[in-house]
Amino acid sequence: DGGITQSPKYLFRKEGQNVTLSCEQNLNHDAMYWYRQDPGQGLRLIYYSQIVNDFQKGDIAEGYSVSREKKESFPLTVTSAQKNPTAFYLCASSNLQGAHEQYFGPGTRLTVT
Amino acid sequence: GESVGLHLPTLSVQEGDNSIINCAYSNSASDYFIWYKQESGKGPQFIIDIRSNMDKRQGQRVTVLLNKTVKHLSLQIAATQPGDSAVYFCAENNSGYSTLTFGKGTMLLVSP
Repeated sequence: DGGITQSPKYLFRKEGQNVTLSCEQNLNHDAMYWYRQDPGQGLRLIYYSQIVNDFQKGDIAEGYSVSREKKESFPLTVTSAQKNPTAFYLCASSNLQGAHEQYFGPGTRLTVT
Repeated sequence: GESVGLHLPTLSVQEGDNSIINCAYSNSASDYFIWYKQESGKGPQFIIDIRSNMDKRQGQRVTVLLNKTVKHLSLQIAATQPGDSAVYFCAENNSGYSTLTFGKGTMLLVSP
Protein backbone atom coordinates (compact mmCIF):
# COMPACT_ATOMS: atom_id res chain seq x y z
CA ASP A 1 0.00 0.00 0.00
CA GLY A 2 1.38 3.39 -0.94
CA GLY A 3 0.82 6.29 1.38
CA ILE A 4 1.94 8.45 4.24
CA THR A 5 2.27 7.19 7.77
CA GLN A 6 2.55 9.22 10.92
CA SER A 7 3.31 7.81 14.30
CA PRO A 8 2.20 7.71 16.97
CA LYS A 9 -1.49 8.61 16.66
CA TYR A 10 -1.52 10.14 20.16
CA LEU A 11 1.47 11.55 22.02
CA PHE A 12 1.67 12.94 25.53
CA ARG A 13 4.58 14.97 26.90
CA LYS A 14 5.43 17.09 29.87
CA GLU A 15 6.09 20.78 29.38
CA GLY A 16 9.75 21.53 28.75
CA GLN A 17 10.47 18.34 26.85
CA ASN A 18 11.31 18.16 23.18
CA VAL A 19 9.31 15.63 21.18
CA THR A 20 9.78 14.28 17.65
CA LEU A 21 6.88 13.33 15.39
CA SER A 22 7.48 10.82 12.65
CA CYS A 23 6.37 11.09 9.01
CA GLU A 24 7.21 8.54 6.33
CA GLN A 25 5.99 8.28 2.72
CA ASN A 26 6.48 5.64 0.04
CA LEU A 27 4.88 7.63 -2.78
CA ASN A 28 8.27 8.68 -4.16
CA HIS A 29 7.25 12.31 -3.64
CA ASP A 30 9.97 14.93 -3.57
CA ALA A 31 8.13 17.49 -1.44
CA MET A 32 6.96 17.02 2.14
CA TYR A 33 5.12 19.36 4.48
CA TRP A 34 4.20 19.75 8.13
CA TYR A 35 1.02 21.51 9.21
CA ARG A 36 -0.50 22.33 12.54
CA GLN A 37 -4.27 22.27 13.07
CA ASP A 38 -6.08 23.85 16.01
CA PRO A 39 -9.84 23.66 16.70
CA GLY A 40 -11.80 26.04 14.49
CA GLN A 41 -8.81 26.87 12.34
CA GLY A 42 -7.50 25.80 9.01
CA LEU A 43 -4.15 24.15 8.46
CA ARG A 44 -1.10 26.31 9.09
CA LEU A 45 2.21 25.48 7.47
CA ILE A 46 5.14 24.87 9.82
CA TYR A 47 7.95 23.70 7.51
CA TYR A 48 8.29 22.18 4.07
CA SER A 49 11.00 20.46 2.10
CA GLN A 50 11.32 20.07 -1.65
CA ILE A 51 14.50 18.05 -1.71
CA VAL A 52 16.69 15.99 0.58
CA ASN A 53 18.85 18.06 2.95
CA ASP A 54 16.89 21.24 2.25
CA PHE A 55 13.83 22.74 3.91
CA GLN A 56 12.07 26.09 4.31
CA LYS A 57 10.14 27.74 7.10
CA GLY A 58 6.41 28.05 6.77
CA ASP A 59 4.14 30.55 8.45
CA ILE A 60 4.59 29.31 12.03
CA ALA A 61 8.08 27.76 12.22
CA GLU A 62 9.06 29.25 15.59
CA GLY A 63 9.59 26.55 18.21
CA TYR A 64 9.84 23.74 15.64
CA SER A 65 12.68 22.06 13.80
CA VAL A 66 12.85 19.51 10.96
CA SER A 67 15.34 17.40 9.08
CA ARG A 68 15.24 15.75 5.65
CA GLU A 69 18.03 13.20 5.53
CA LYS A 70 16.06 10.78 3.38
CA LYS A 71 13.49 11.37 0.65
CA GLU A 72 10.98 9.16 2.45
CA SER A 73 11.21 10.76 5.89
CA PHE A 74 10.53 14.24 7.29
CA PRO A 75 10.49 14.19 11.11
CA LEU A 76 9.27 17.24 13.05
CA THR A 77 10.65 18.16 16.47
CA VAL A 78 8.46 20.25 18.72
CA THR A 79 10.87 22.02 21.03
CA SER A 80 10.34 23.41 24.51
CA ALA A 81 10.44 26.88 22.91
CA GLN A 82 7.04 26.31 21.29
CA LYS A 83 4.60 28.22 23.50
CA ASN A 84 1.44 26.28 22.69
CA PRO A 85 2.47 22.86 21.41
CA THR A 86 -0.79 21.01 22.05
CA ALA A 87 -2.35 20.53 18.61
CA PHE A 88 -3.09 18.08 15.81
CA TYR A 89 -0.07 17.75 13.51
CA LEU A 90 -0.45 16.72 9.89
CA CYS A 91 2.23 15.66 7.45
CA ALA A 92 1.72 15.77 3.68
CA SER A 93 3.67 15.07 0.51
CA SER A 94 3.42 15.94 -3.17
CA ASN A 95 5.28 15.87 -6.43
CA LEU A 96 7.41 18.96 -7.01
CA GLN A 97 5.23 20.06 -9.90
CA GLY A 98 2.02 19.36 -8.02
CA ALA A 99 1.95 21.22 -4.72
CA HIS A 100 -1.78 21.53 -5.29
CA GLU A 101 -2.13 17.76 -4.95
CA GLN A 102 -0.93 17.09 -1.47
CA TYR A 103 -1.56 13.73 0.17
CA PHE A 104 -1.97 13.77 3.92
CA GLY A 105 -1.09 11.34 6.64
CA PRO A 106 -3.53 10.42 9.44
CA GLY A 107 -2.10 12.98 11.87
CA THR A 108 -0.58 12.94 15.36
CA ARG A 109 -2.42 14.47 18.29
CA LEU A 110 0.16 15.97 20.67
CA THR A 111 -0.86 16.91 24.18
CA VAL A 112 1.61 18.75 26.39
CA THR A 113 0.79 19.24 30.07
CA GLY B 1 -12.21 12.20 17.40
CA GLU B 2 -10.37 15.46 16.90
CA SER B 3 -12.22 18.62 17.82
CA VAL B 4 -11.24 20.37 14.61
CA GLY B 5 -14.86 21.39 14.09
CA LEU B 6 -15.14 23.67 17.11
CA HIS B 7 -16.32 27.16 16.18
CA LEU B 8 -16.42 26.38 12.47
CA PRO B 9 -19.26 27.54 10.21
CA THR B 10 -21.67 24.62 10.03
CA LEU B 11 -24.03 23.51 7.28
CA SER B 12 -26.74 21.07 8.36
CA VAL B 13 -28.65 19.19 5.66
CA GLN B 14 -30.94 16.21 5.33
CA GLU B 15 -29.82 13.07 3.56
CA GLY B 16 -30.59 13.37 -0.14
CA ASP B 17 -30.40 17.17 -0.23
CA ASN B 18 -27.84 18.98 -2.33
CA SER B 19 -25.17 20.80 -0.31
CA ILE B 20 -23.27 23.92 -1.26
CA ILE B 21 -20.15 24.89 0.65
CA ASN B 22 -18.60 28.27 -0.05
CA CYS B 23 -15.12 29.67 0.22
CA ALA B 24 -13.60 33.08 -0.37
CA TYR B 25 -9.96 33.07 -1.39
CA SER B 26 -7.47 35.84 -1.00
CA ASN B 27 -4.81 35.75 -3.71
CA SER B 28 -5.79 36.83 -7.20
CA ALA B 29 -2.57 35.24 -8.48
CA SER B 30 -3.61 31.75 -7.34
CA ASP B 31 -4.06 29.37 -10.24
CA TYR B 32 -5.12 26.14 -8.57
CA PHE B 33 -7.97 25.70 -6.15
CA ILE B 34 -8.57 22.51 -4.23
CA TRP B 35 -11.24 21.08 -1.98
CA TYR B 36 -10.32 18.69 0.83
CA LYS B 37 -12.57 16.62 3.08
CA GLN B 38 -11.50 15.87 6.64
CA GLU B 39 -13.33 13.29 8.70
CA SER B 40 -13.05 13.33 12.46
CA GLY B 41 -9.64 12.15 13.65
CA LYS B 42 -8.21 11.75 10.15
CA GLY B 43 -6.03 13.66 7.73
CA PRO B 44 -7.58 15.72 4.91
CA GLN B 45 -8.49 13.84 1.75
CA PHE B 46 -8.32 15.41 -1.74
CA ILE B 47 -11.76 15.73 -3.35
CA ILE B 48 -11.44 17.83 -6.49
CA ASP B 49 -9.41 20.68 -7.90
CA ILE B 50 -9.88 23.33 -10.54
CA ARG B 51 -7.49 25.50 -12.50
CA SER B 52 -8.00 29.22 -12.74
CA ASN B 53 -8.69 29.02 -16.49
CA MET B 54 -11.88 27.07 -15.76
CA ASP B 55 -15.07 28.12 -14.03
CA LYS B 56 -16.61 24.71 -13.45
CA ARG B 57 -15.42 21.16 -12.97
CA GLN B 58 -17.44 18.09 -12.18
CA GLY B 59 -16.53 14.90 -10.39
CA GLN B 60 -18.56 12.07 -9.02
CA ARG B 61 -21.43 13.74 -7.12
CA VAL B 62 -19.33 16.88 -6.67
CA THR B 63 -19.02 20.07 -8.68
CA VAL B 64 -16.63 22.93 -8.04
CA LEU B 65 -17.45 26.42 -9.29
CA LEU B 66 -14.92 29.20 -9.50
CA ASN B 67 -15.74 32.90 -9.77
CA LYS B 68 -12.50 34.79 -10.18
CA THR B 69 -14.22 38.15 -10.38
CA VAL B 70 -15.25 37.97 -6.73
CA LYS B 71 -12.59 35.44 -5.67
CA HIS B 72 -15.16 32.85 -4.68
CA LEU B 73 -15.10 29.09 -4.81
CA SER B 74 -17.92 26.68 -4.08
CA LEU B 75 -18.29 22.94 -3.70
CA GLN B 76 -21.62 21.37 -4.56
CA ILE B 77 -22.39 17.87 -3.32
CA ALA B 78 -25.35 16.16 -4.95
CA ALA B 79 -27.62 13.79 -3.01
CA THR B 80 -25.70 14.28 0.23
CA GLN B 81 -25.18 11.15 2.29
CA PRO B 82 -24.39 10.68 6.01
CA GLY B 83 -20.89 9.60 4.96
CA ASP B 84 -20.35 13.10 3.58
CA SER B 85 -20.41 14.51 7.12
CA ALA B 86 -16.98 16.05 7.63
CA VAL B 87 -15.10 19.34 7.63
CA TYR B 88 -14.46 20.69 4.14
CA PHE B 89 -11.49 22.95 3.40
CA CYS B 90 -10.72 24.97 0.34
CA ALA B 91 -7.08 25.65 -0.51
CA GLU B 92 -5.35 27.82 -3.08
CA ASN B 93 -2.00 27.46 -4.78
CA ASN B 94 0.08 29.74 -6.92
CA SER B 95 2.04 27.39 -9.18
CA GLY B 96 5.02 29.69 -8.84
CA TYR B 97 5.14 28.65 -5.20
CA SER B 98 5.23 25.22 -3.67
CA THR B 99 2.77 25.70 -0.83
CA LEU B 100 -0.98 25.72 -0.28
CA THR B 101 -2.98 28.28 1.68
CA PHE B 102 -5.96 26.75 3.45
CA GLY B 103 -9.27 28.31 4.41
CA LYS B 104 -10.70 27.79 7.88
CA GLY B 105 -13.15 25.08 6.87
CA THR B 106 -16.87 24.38 7.00
CA MET B 107 -18.44 21.53 8.90
CA LEU B 108 -21.10 19.61 6.99
CA LEU B 109 -23.59 17.65 9.10
CA VAL B 110 -25.91 15.25 7.28
CA SER B 111 -28.93 13.90 9.08
CA PRO B 112 -30.46 10.57 8.02
